[in-house]
Amino acid sequence: GQNIDQPTEMTATEGAIVQINCTYQTSGFNGLFWYQQHAGEAPTFLSYNVLDGLEEKGRFSSFLSRSKGYSYLLLKELQMKDSASYLCAVIYNQGGKLIFGQGTELSVKP
Amino acid sequence: NAGVMQNPRHLVRRRGQEARLRCSPMKGHSHVYWYRQLPEEGLKFMVYLQKENIIDESGMPKERFSAEFPKEGPSILRIQQVVRGDSAAYFCASSLNRQDAGYTFGSGTRLTVV
Repeated sequence: GQNIDQPTEMTATEGAIVQINCTYQTSGFNGLFWYQQHAGEAPTFLSYNVLDGLEEKGRFSSFLSRSKGYSYLLLKELQMKDSASYLCAVIYNQGGKLIFGQGTELSVKP
Repeated sequence: NAGVMQNPRHLVRRRGQEARLRCSPMKGHSHVYWYRQLPEEGLKFMVYLQKENIIDESGMPKERFSAEFPKEGPSILRIQQVVRGDSAAYFCASSLNRQDAGYTFGSGTRLTVV
């Protein structure tokens, strides 16, 4: 199968940094996405990685290691509004559908 | 520049009725994907369509579910004889091509079967 694994839930403090990990099966890998989803809403795009390394975009950064089948999403200067589910998704082979992990529910506490 | 439009936002059906969910992709996008999200779960791929063609339906239940994307008009996900277990959020996404990183989701249709 093409399992995407990420922690079910995490808790962090406002103003802190949190790292959400994602592991995936490497065979046929063709790109990795991170989405943010607030309860009852649609997933919104955060980042896309296809090459190894770190992509930084404001308070959010995403890292990819293709050889290890590993990615992380780094959120800095956490705000209460960052409380949401963070979804890791992979495109395999010839593209098209995204395979999603189960999502990581992040709670930001004051 | 409208994004992916889904309607209705909320749909209530009694057991045994039919549900029809509509998705209009972003302008210029000809690839449409349907995903289902059960309560407390991640998104599960259902079907991938390009205009008038089903490209990948590996995530579609074998019975009662069908999808189309006609030459004119929105993509339709149709669920016949709905059961309580069909209650979920159904999201549509569109892209420019198979490898497009600009994969955009609609706001979803929340189906409740009573």
